[in-house]
Amino acid sequence: AQSVAQPEDQVNVAEGNPLTVKCTYSVSGNPYLFWYVQYPNRGLQFLLKYITGDNLVKGSYGFEAEFNKSQTSFHLKKPSALVSDSALYFCAVRVSMDSNYQLIWGAGTKLIIKP
Amino acid sequence: DTAVSQTPKYLVTQMGNDKSIKCEQNLGHDTMYWYKQDSKKFLKIMFSYNNKELIINETVPNRFSPKSPDKAHLNLHINSLELGDSAVYFCASSQEVRGTSEQYFGPGTRLTVT
Repeated sequence: AQSVAQPEDQVNVAEGNPLTVKCTYSVSGNPYLFWYVQYPNRGLQFLLKYITGDNLVKGSYGFEAEFNKSQTSFHLKKPSALVSDSALYFCAVRVSMDSNYQLIWGAGTKLIIKP
Repeated sequence: DTAVSQTPKYLVTQMGNDKSIKCEQNLGHDTMYWYKQDSKKFLKIMFSYNNKELIINETVPNRFSPKSPDKAHLNLHINSLELGDSAVYFCASSQEVRGTSEQYFGPGTRLTVT
């Protein structure tokens, strides 16, 4: 079955430290992967995506993600966390169903950056 | 200038009522979506439209009926509201239907059914 998993409900990081939010996936064919962020009482905002090419993808707000095909992972990273990075982060993967495409979403990881 | 807008932002209503949520995007995108986010923040697609044509219709009660009068608008009508319909509903749009382009989300409509 095609799926995406975010194994951590919550990640706590001290401000200034590097952060990693984990995502693993299971899809047939080439994976198209996305990260979105949701601030409280807001809609989701696109951060970055992997379609093809370099395994290290750079996105908004200093975030980057590393695609690892052998580990079927697409972890979100940032070298130095800011308090303002505290939010809910979603990983998503494109799947094909009945000749149509849609995203299936991870359960979300709450990122808390402590001053 | 808001890219994807939804109205209303909050909707409180009683069981059995009928309500609508409106969505508009000014990005010129071809594809629009409705998502439901439950109290645990799980996000699930409900419908997808491409150029006013229904593309995806997930396992959603037929009390939910989307309507796309043009490709910039996708409205959601809900009949006979139930307590379990309480959630945040997000509209989104993307440039194309193949799922390779990012989706732009509206601010959400928080529906509370009492």
